Amino acid sequence: KAGVTQTPRYLIKTRGQQVTLSCSPISGHRSVSWYQQTPGQGLQFLFEYFSETQRNKGNFPGRFSGRQFSNSRSEMNVSTLELGDSALYLCASSSGTTSSGANVLTFGAGSRLTVL
Amino acid sequence: AQSVTQLGSHVSVSEGALVLLRCNYSSSVPPYLFWYVQYPNQGLQLLLKYTSAATLVKGINGFEAEFKKSETSFHLTKPSAHMSDAAEYFCAVRYNFNKFYFGSGTKLNVKP
Repeated sequence: KAGVTQTPRYLIKTRGQQVTLSCSPISGHRSVSWYQQTPGQGLQFLFEYFSETQRNKGNFPGRFSGRQFSNSRSEMNVSTLELGDSALYLCASSSGTTSSGANVLTFGAGSRLTVL
Repeated sequence: AQSVTQLGSHVSVSEGALVLLRCNYSSSVPPYLFWYVQYPNQGLQLLLKYTSAATLVKGINGFEAEFKKSETSFHLTKPSAHMSDAAEYFCAVRYNFNKFYFGSGTKLNVKP
């Protein structure tokens, strides 16, 4: 069973540019969540998509957006990049079944974004 | 507010010694609880999960954790540390809905 695939793994951008990151979940998983990981702030929840709808949202500015396609693949976009956006962006997929104890997050390897 | 607290951002043990990583959650309602491990430049990997079936949960690589409702704790232990256990460990909780809350992480260093 293929795991969660994130592309690209590494990228370098300059301030003011925008970036799009992609995440392919485990087959059959309908939920995709995104997290930002930095040394200072740890793991911070960005948003979760379930069946093409944003179901949960963290406390990030509107420059951070996402979407999910009918095949459950997800993309996140960051516009007008700032130096502080440099981070490891992690995608995680799950069944999304909220009442099930078997519902766990499976993470991809992440996309490391450096903003210069 | 619901939260997860991991005591100790860095823990150092000798190879062969007991590993104890602490996690406390804040809720009167028992949540689903998880421990994840992260190796450098990788994503998080599930070590174990508590889903109310048993209070002592065994995970991969010899790790286990015990759910203690009275203490709102879910500490992670391993009887004998191995060099390959050096990594960062995250405790996480999930309540209703699919929102997970992660602790700030504990970096485990294993000395030879």
